[in-house]
Amino acid sequence: GQSLEQPSEVTAVEGAIVQINCTYQTSGFYGLSWYQQHDGGAPTFLSYNALDGLEETGRFSSFLSRSDSYGYLLLQELQMKDSASYFCAVRDRGGTALIFGKGTTLSVSS
Amino acid sequence: DAGVIQSPRHEVTEMGQEVTLRCKPISGHDYLFWYRQTMMRGLELLIYFNNNVPIDDSGMPEDRFSAKMPNASFSTLKIQPSEPRDSAVYFCASSFQGLNTEAFFGQGTRLTVV
Repeated sequence: GQSLEQPSEVTAVEGAIVQINCTYQTSGFYGLSWYQQHDGGAPTFLSYNALDGLEETGRFSSFLSRSDSYGYLLLQELQMKDSASYFCAVRDRGGTALIFGKGTTLSVSS
Repeated sequence: DAGVIQSPRHEVTEMGQEVTLRCKPISGHDYLFWYRQTMMRGLELLIYFNNNVPIDDSGMPEDRFSAKMPNASFSTLKIQPSEPRDSAVYFCASSFQGLNTEAFFGQGTRLTVV
């Protein structure tokens, strides 16, 4: 089956850079996605990597190494509003539904 | 588009009662997913539909749970009878075909069974 591991908590200060790692085990691989969820809110899409390498979207970047079954989300110039939970996700065996990790709670302090 | 719409936002019910959660996906999306979120288990996939047809319900925890999608714009998740351990936030999400398309989530229904 599909399984993902990511740290449960990360803390950082405003303006810093933080990296959230994710390792996965899948039967069939259709890319690695990242979602953000603020307290009490809905998960929202951040990024998707299908191929090895770094994808950059503003302050956020996501990296994938398929040979290592590993990826990370890099958040730069942290702001208080970045305090949220971040989930990595892979597709199920059918390549359709997202299977999520347990999430990493990021706390940004001033 | 208003996004994925779920109702109710909050539901408090007594153990043994039937609970029905509702979801309206984004118009034009052909996949609909139901997830359950708890602190202990995180975001769990319960069931998903493609073009109104259930594709995988292996995540449905017990026979007490059932889901339907009678048409492209409406789905329900029913729990009968409900139990305290069913307390969680239930999310509905929809997406348009393709492996690399994002899933759009509704705001969730927070269910409390007392």
